[in-house]
Amino acid sequence: EPEVTQTPSHQVTQMGQEVILRCVPISNHLYFYWYRQILGQKVEFLVSFYNNEISEKSEIFDDQFSVERPDGSNFTLKIRSTKLEDSAMYFCASSGWDNEQFFGPGTRLTVL
Amino acid sequence: AQKITQTQPGMFVQEKEAVTLDCTYDTSDPSYGLFWYKQPSSGEMIFLIYQGSYDQQNATEGRYSLNFQKARKSANLVISASQLGDSAMYFCAMREGRSARQLTFGSGTQLTVLP
Repeated sequence: EPEVTQTPSHQVTQMGQEVILRCVPISNHLYFYWYRQILGQKVEFLVSFYNNEISEKSEIFDDQFSVERPDGSNFTLKIRSTKLEDSAMYFCASSGWDNEQFFGPGTRLTVL
Repeated sequence: AQKITQTQPGMFVQEKEAVTLDCTYDTSDPSYGLFWYKQPSSGEMIFLIYQGSYDQQNATEGRYSLNFQKARKSANLVISASQLGDSAMYFCAMREGRSARQLTFGSGTQLTVLP
């Protein structure tokens, strides 16, 4: 069964460093998303991406964040200068024309 | 106001019994969708069931069914014949608007199935 994959599973970085989180969505999907979940809290929407551009973004998704689909398979989230409060689980998701969003296993980002 | 409210932080159910997890939502848009996801202790998010605002019948997927009461703005998840593997965090989520895709999640309910 096709699935969303994410790498790395755990990323540790120093405050102020740049990180890139990588995702491979399900191959025939058209919509791609990033969500985050701070430990013990609810899942929060960051951004959605369709047709090679951002279609929606939340207040969390400020200038420190960017997304890219560098080739036909990968979808990346870049955080330019990480802060302590960026520590969270980051989920990539993808969907086709229907409503079901399939989530990847997540990348746990720890900012020291 | 919260868009999605899950009032039960924790629930216990006996194995093989049915359990209802509550979810109420708040939107003025006539077009919306409601989702339930399961998050086991391993952390992944597993899609369970979807209900569209215009769907006439309650959604069902195997042992999962959604008790959709539009007038009351509630979308409760019913799990029948609970299994030990159902122990997990359960999140209700909503998509608002015909073209919007972002999901807004509730705070979750931690379900524990007792042997």
